[in-house]
Amino acid sequence: EIVLTQSPGTLSLSPGERATLSCRASQSVSSNYLAWYQQKPGRAPRLLVYGASTRATGIPDRFSGSGSGTDFTLTISRLEPEDFAVYYCQQYGSSPLFGGGTKVEIK
Amino acid sequence: EVQLVESGGALVQPGRSLRLSCAASGFTFDDYAMHWVRQAPGKGLEWVSGITWNSATIAYADSVKGRFTLSRDNAKNSLYLQMNSLRPEDTAFYYCTKGRDYGSGSPFDFWGQGTLVTVSS
Repeated sequence: EIVLTQSPGTLSLSPGERATLSCRASQSVSSNYLAWYQQKPGRAPRLLVYGASTRATGIPDRFSGSGSGTDFTLTISRLEPEDFAVYYCQQYGSSPLFGGGTKVEIK
Repeated sequence: EVQLVESGGALVQPGRSLRLSCAASGFTFDDYAMHWVRQAPGKGLEWVSGITWNSATIAYADSVKGRFTLSRDNAKNSLYLQMNSLRPEDTAFYYCTKGRDYGSGSPFDFWGQGTLVTVSS
């Protein structure tokens, strides 16, 4: 059974800084079926990136996804105040699975 | 505008049953796979179950297999989750989500606001 490990658990940064979030899979993610979601307190998650690197509709270009196989990265080029949230990676094959999440907090 | 509205969450005793519903609008419901995802308070996301556009394939997480049943009624634009033999560890917000296309193997591009299920005596 595949396991998704996200790191770090918490990332403390200032607005304007670059954020780099990691998602590592215990085995290769087929067809790069890897997505990233953002969740703010009290809100439902929002799809940011799918297919490892394709931005979802309406997502600003400061969000970018990369990687393949077992190692994936979500990069936020310059953090805006509204970007401080929890981020989850997901493999969405036949049995979807989420990583444990990375919290991006204001330093 | 896509809307997913969950209902049916409640406080229920262990061992009892509950049925969640999700009313969909703003898109052609029978063109897309649908899923339920849950989140225990203060915890991460857990996929629960998913169903293809025509109900031909229904999948469950191991944690709910044999206790939960997922179904859809395309004529009513509705998704249902029948939850039996509920356990305290089933306590969570339950989100109805829309797949990006008709089958399995697609990300979840729209989410409802969630309904809270609390299992406690």
